Amino acid sequence: EAGVTQSPTHLIKTRGQQATLRCSPISGHTSVYWYQQALGLGLQFLLWYDEGEERNRGNFPPRFSGRQFPNYSSELNVNALELEDSALYLCATREGIKTSVDNVLTFGAGSRLTVL
Amino acid sequence: SQQGEEDPQALSIQEGENATMNCSYKTSINNLQWYRQNSGRGLVHLILIRSNEREKHSGRLRVTLDTSKKSSSLLITASRAADTASYFCATDPVLSGTYKYIFGTGTRLKVLA
Repeated sequence: EAGVTQSPTHLIKTRGQQATLRCSPISGHTSVYWYQQALGLGLQFLLWYDEGEERNRGNFPPRFSGRQFPNYSSELNVNALELEDSALYLCATREGIKTSVDNVLTFGAGSRLTVL
Repeated sequence: SQQGEEDPQALSIQEGENATMNCSYKTSINNLQWYRQNSGRGLVHLILIRSNEREKHSGRLRVTLDTSKKSSSLLITASRAADTASYFCATDPVLSGTYKYIFGTGTRLKVLA
């Protein structure tokens, strides 16, 4: 069974541009989480989608947005890129909230975004 | 601020020694989970402990949870060079409708061969 896949692996952009990152969950997983991990730091919660809806949002500006598609894959968009947006963006998925509360997250390998 | 705070921030030990890392959190939780991250990659789930459990084992891992102190510890016994990684705790706060997993800042473990 395929794991959580993220693309692209690496992305280089310049200030002011837009970046789009993609995530495909494990079959059967309907919840998708996005985290930002700046170099050497912890994970900052960005967004959570479940069954196509945005359920929760972290403390990030509106230029960070996303969506979840009917097949439960997800896209993270970052507009008007700033230097401090350079980070590893991690996608994690789990079974939907209607299942057990003890579900754990399965992570993708991440997309490294560099803003020059 | 982070819900989970691990300490120490960094730990360096010799192969064969035990490694202990701690996690503190702020609010009531459904469960606490530990994850491992090899350099620059995604996280891998290690072990989950429910709020009504005090101790749990999985292979060389032992996790304890003290809900009165809002803290947890992860013990890796007989460490190996392959255990070198960053370790994070994550809590699932008991807040209506959130299901928001909040990660700590991590402990960087280096096991020297």
